Amino acid sequence: EVQLVQSGAEVKKPGESLKISCASSGYSFSSYWIGWARQMPGRGLEWMGIIYPGDSDTRYSPSFQGQVTISSDSSTGTAYLQWSSLKASDTAMYYCARGGLFYTAGSYLDYWGQGTLVTVSS
Amino acid sequence: QSMLIQPPSASGTPGQRVTISCSGGSSNIGSNYVYWYQHLPGTAPKLLISRNNQRPSGVPDRFSASESGTSASLAISGLRSEDEADYFCAAWDDSLRGYVFGSGTKVSVL
Repeated sequence: EVQLVQSGAEVKKPGESLKISCASSGYSFSSYWIGWARQMPGRGLEWMGIIYPGDSDTRYSPSFQGQVTISSDSSTGTAYLQWSSLKASDTAMYYCARGGLFYTAGSYLDYWGQGTLVTVSS
Repeated sequence: QSMLIQPPSASGTPGQRVTISCSGGSSNIGSNYVYWYQHLPGTAPKLLISRNNQRPSGVPDRFSASESGTSASLAISGLRSEDEADYFCAAWDDSLRGYVFGSGTKVSVL
């Protein structure tokens, strides 16, 4: 059974760094793209970016390029989303999701994590 | 970032048919498949419908989808109390070269 289990809720101050995780099981981690989406309070999901663990090829949505870093560790089957300096506007729920074997039209997200709530407040 | 437009809410009584719309544009729904997800707060979103109205194993055939031009819709027939959840659509966007998502529709069973 494919599962994506995300790390727990975080409360941080503006300017602090953060790295949240998405641990996979039940499939070949290195063979599928895995990405991240943001859901701000009362809003719909926004696509942030995606990584192919097999070769660390990473693609970012223009809105998030330079704002976050997506990485992965094939030895543990875990994907990460990190910030070097959080802002209050980063307060949101973050979801990881498994993509396909290819990142292109025709691919889709089939399994999701349960979400990680990040709260940034002074 | 562009977003697919959905009505914020929909409702029906048990046994009724409820339809949720998803409106996009030529770069997403107009040229790519639409996918539908069910999301209960605090849990992982669940894929309901994939390409060509395919349902993953375990998804009842009460759920069906259709597309026309730059719009799509999800229908839930024989509405049940356990269908009370948020539903969102998603599609690949050729301009973004990534996924775009619907704003989400909360379905209530009266």
